[in-house]
Amino acid sequence: DAGVIQSPRHEVTEMGQEVTLRCKPISGHNSLFWYRQTMMRGLELLIYFNNNVPIDDSGMPEDRFSAKMPNASFSTLKIQPSEPRDSAVYFCASSFGVEQFFGPGTRLTVL
Amino acid sequence: DQQVKQNSPSLSVQEGRISILNCDYTNSMFDYFLWYKKYPAEGPTFLISISSIKDKNEDGRFTVFLNKSAKHLSLHIVPSQPGDSAVYFCAARYTGTASKLTFGTGTRLQVTL
Repeated sequence: DAGVIQSPRHEVTEMGQEVTLRCKPISGHNSLFWYRQTMMRGLELLIYFNNNVPIDDSGMPEDRFSAKMPNASFSTLKIQPSEPRDSAVYFCASSFGVEQFFGPGTRLTVL
Repeated sequence: DQQVKQNSPSLSVQEGRISILNCDYTNSMFDYFLWYKKYPAEGPTFLISISSIKDKNEDGRFTVFLNKSAKHLSLHIVPSQPGDSAVYFCAARYTGTASKLTFGTGTRLQVTL
């Protein structure tokens, strides 16, 4: 059975461009999480959904970040406009319970 | 404000010896703790967990200890193996938040031959 799928795996873009990260959670999981990994803050929760509804977006750094979950099998994290300080690895995770299952991550580089 | 802290960014241990990774937390409302392991270019994977009503949980070579009064938990790996070399994240769940976790900054473990 496939785990959490993220695309793209790597994204290089220029400052000011729009970036869209995609996630397909594990089938049957009812919670989905977006994280950003940085050296300073480790794994930082950006937003999470429960049954496709955003529950807590207090970790979203600015209005430039937005996330959607139109159905149980797909979510997007969008950054518009992107800035160099957004460069990081972004992880999507899903769960049905406490244990979260992570995708392989998207390494974003904003030049 | 880091509520879950891993104060050692890195640790080096010889193969066969014990590895001890530490984690401190500040919020007494955390009721469940987990350890995740992360290899380069992969997502974190669940390793072991412990409920706040227990003080120890063991799974093979991995044991997690919880000291609630000190707000401290530790992960012991015995014996350490080269394949254990990875970044280890401590995570905690806030009571009543279902599956939302707060993660520490991670400790990089290097197991040497």
